[in-house]
Amino acid sequence: DVKVTQSSRYLVKRTGEKVFLECVQDMDHENMFWYRQDPGLGLRLIYFSYDVKMKEKGDIPEGYSVSREKKERFSLILESASTNQTSMYLCASSPRRDTQYFGPGTRLTVL
Amino acid sequence: DQQVKQNSPSLSVQEGRISILNCDYTNSMFDYFLWYKKYPAEGPTFLISISSIKDKNEDGRFTVFLNKSAKHLSLHIVPSQPGDSAVYFCAARSTNAGKSTFGDGTTLTVKP
Repeated sequence: DVKVTQSSRYLVKRTGEKVFLECVQDMDHENMFWYRQDPGLGLRLIYFSYDVKMKEKGDIPEGYSVSREKKERFSLILESASTNQTSMYLCASSPRRDTQYFGPGTRLTVL
Repeated sequence: DQQVKQNSPSLSVQEGRISILNCDYTNSMFDYFLWYKKYPAEGPTFLISISSIKDKNEDGRFTVFLNKSAKHLSLHIVPSQPGDSAVYFCAARSTNAGKSTFGDGTTLTVKP
């Protein structure tokens, strides 16, 4: 069975903190993605990666960075969390040009 | 510039009736379209897809129709069931792209 796991389901951080969100997939997929979901705004792509150590900016990369040192793991980093980064964060993976498999999401609250 | 649009934020239908969810796109390079379903507190899951070489794809109660000239696709659910109540996302991509562009989602409520 396909599995994408995210390190936390719920996270509360303070403004200015550095935040790490981790995503692991066990399907040997080449592609991995980070999205945020906000009411009325759908799924917006933050960053994606086609291969280890490769990354590309999505639609809203500002305030975020990513790391992919191993094929199965894709990390999203908020260098200095702000209240407008309070959101649901979704990780996904896919084989090349195929459907995406999503993790359960991390609801991040920045106070 | 939103390339994939779902103009109806919400839809309510009676159990047993047909649900029709709509999606419009603007990018002519898109040639593969997908629908995902999302329950609260869960990640989206793939539902059904269609390639631009087809105009219809059916999987059980779910059928997706594609009208390339109008740049429009729709998802039909027949008959609708209360368990279909969820947010439905339309997504589109071009052949050589690994990433998809998502719409804003439509919240479907199926009333018993």
